[in-house]
Amino acid sequence: EIVLTQSPGTLSLSPGERATLSCRASQSVSSSYLAWYQQKPGQAPKLLIYGASSRATGIPDRFSGRGSGTDFTLTISRLESEDFAVYYCQQYGSSPYTFGQGTKLEIK
Amino acid sequence: QVQLVESGGGLVNPGGSLRLSCAASGFTFSDYYMSWIRQAPGKGLEWISYISGSSYINYADSVKGRFTISRDNAKNSLYLQMNSLRAEDTAVYYCARFGGGYEGWFDPWGQGTLVTVSS
Repeated sequence: EIVLTQSPGTLSLSPGERATLSCRASQSVSSSYLAWYQQKPGQAPKLLIYGASSRATGIPDRFSGRGSGTDFTLTISRLESEDFAVYYCQQYGSSPYTFGQGTKLEIK
Repeated sequence: QVQLVESGGGLVNPGGSLRLSCAASGFTFSDYYMSWIRQAPGKGLEWISYISGSSYINYADSVKGRFTISRDNAKNSLYLQMNSLRAEDTAVYYCARFGGGYEGWFDPWGQGTLVTVSS
């Protein structure tokens, strides 16, 4: 099983700042099959990024993903108030599919 | 638009059973892999099962032998039969569509249904 470790656990930033979230895999994720989700309280997760760097439909271009192998990053270029949430990475390159433990992005 | 609506959650005793349903609309259901994912209260996400349009199935070890995923393409519905429930199965259960072919990224998700296993 591939274990995904997200860092930091909590990130405190202000609107307008740049956020960089990390997701590290315990072994290589095949074909960069790595996705990112955003979850707000009381809501279902929402897909942001798939294939490590492809933005989902309707996702603003301030969200970007990159990486390969075992190291992946989600960047939010300029934070807006609605971006403060919990973010999860997920690998789907091998079974069982696994999620990271999440990074909480909070307002400073 | 694409929509997934779960139902069937509730309070059940340890060792009991429950059947969850997910009604799909807005897309050709039989063309897509579907999945169940759960989230324990205050915790992260856990993938538990998927099923292809032609009923190829995979399970996480944590539920293998206790949970059964199925689908009825004529009714545009996904199911999860949960037996021998344990306290650690308490969670919000989400159904989700595979976003692209057989690639297991999930989009969209339903709103979730809460399962509480307690005496």
